[in-house]
Amino acid sequence: AQSVAQPEDQVNVAEGNPLTVKCTYSVSGNPYLFWYVQYPNRGLQFLLKYITGDNLVKGSYGFEAEFNKSQTSFHLKKPSALVSDSALYFCAVRDKRTRSGATNKLIFGTGTLLAVQP
Amino acid sequence: DAGVTQSPTHLIKTRGQQVTLRCSPKSGHDTVSWYQQALGQGPQFIFQYYEEEERQRGNFPDRFSGHQFPNYSSELNVNALLLGDSALYLCASSFGAGTGSYEQYFGPGTRLTVT
Repeated sequence: AQSVAQPEDQVNVAEGNPLTVKCTYSVSGNPYLFWYVQYPNRGLQFLLKYITGDNLVKGSYGFEAEFNKSQTSFHLKKPSALVSDSALYFCAVRDKRTRSGATNKLIFGTGTLLAVQP
Repeated sequence: DAGVTQSPTHLIKTRGQQVTLRCSPKSGHDTVSWYQQALGQGPQFIFQYYEEEERQRGNFPDRFSGHQFPNYSSELNVNALLLGDSALYLCASSFGAGTGSYEQYFGPGTRLTVT
């Protein structure tokens, strides 16, 4: 079964420092990977995706993620953290195709709370 | 351009009651998926609607049902509510039932509390 794991419940970083939020995946076949961010009492906002191509994916708000096939990882990164980046971050993988065709089903990790201190 | 909208924002129901949640997809999108997010957990896929049919279903009982209308909007119905159904219910829209652009856009959610 497809799955993702986010090993850290919380990541603390000082404003201006680089940040990394970790994600590892387990899939059969080529993975379609996503990062979403959730602010308090809000829905999820799409940050970036990896489907194919360059292993370094750039997304919204200065975030990027590095796809590493040998380590089955897709870590989210930002060179300089902002206090406003403090939120809950979810890694997700698209499920395998169903018998009837493509699927939109996303399988989410448990989330990592990012806290950026001023 | 309106994004994904959901109504109501909050809802309080009693065990055993029934509830209907509503979702309007982002303009240009024709596929709607529903997710349940319990407190402190990641979203769990309930089902997906495309061309007014349920195309895929997650591991949820038949008490959870849905509908998609010709204008692509969707409803999620939950019967015989249990305390464990208390969660944030998220609607996500996309185009082409997974054959097109891969990212999904989420609404703000409906917070359901069952007492």
